[in-house]
Amino acid sequence: AQKVTQAQTEISVVEKEDVTLDCVYETRDTTYYLFWYKQPPSGELVFLIRRNSFDEQNEISGRYSWNFQKSTSSFNFTITASQVVDSAVYFCALSETTNYGQNFVFGPGTRLSVLP
Amino acid sequence: KAGVTQTPRYLIKTRGQQVTLSCSPISGHRSVSWYQQTPGQGLQFLFEYFSETQRNKGNFPGRFSGRQFSNSRSEMNVSTLELGDSALYLCASSSKWWTAGGETQYFGPGTRLLVL
Repeated sequence: AQKVTQAQTEISVVEKEDVTLDCVYETRDTTYYLFWYKQPPSGELVFLIRRNSFDEQNEISGRYSWNFQKSTSSFNFTITASQVVDSAVYFCALSETTNYGQNFVFGPGTRLSVLP
Repeated sequence: KAGVTQTPRYLIKTRGQQVTLSCSPISGHRSVSWYQQTPGQGLQFLFEYFSETQRNKGNFPGRFSGRQFSNSRSEMNVSTLELGDSALYLCASSSKWWTAGGETQYFGPGTRLLVL
């Protein structure tokens, strides 16, 4: 079965620091998708990025960047110059091919606290 | 443009009862996905509907079912409720079949179900 590991349960940083959230996955699929989601204290989930297994290019979106390395089965997420509004739980997820199409396996999440 | 709406927002049921949750996607979106979030199991994918057809399915028992109507609104039904079904149920909409394209998902606020 597919597995997603987010080893960092909680991280605290001071505003303006850079922070990297780790995501390591296990899969037997040759084609798969990786995702990051954000869940702020309000509870509403926010989709951040989707990456397919054929696209190993790093992605940058404003202060956010993602580093996908197939060789180490990692899909890490970096926030540059963190802000208090970045405080949230961040989930990494992986698609899994099943007899019913695709399933999506989530990691346990990393709680990020950005202190002013 | 109105966002994803979910009704009801809160619900209390007793064991053995059944429950129906509703999700109205963003206008024009044809894909609706459902997720369950609990403190113990974390985030789990339930299923995705696109154009009234279930396209993807997670590892949930048959007590969990769903459907999508021609206007893309979706309902999720849980029969014979168990205490462990207490959770936040989230739905998300996107314009394309989620695994067929790189479209953004938009999430609703969730329905919090408590089973007593």
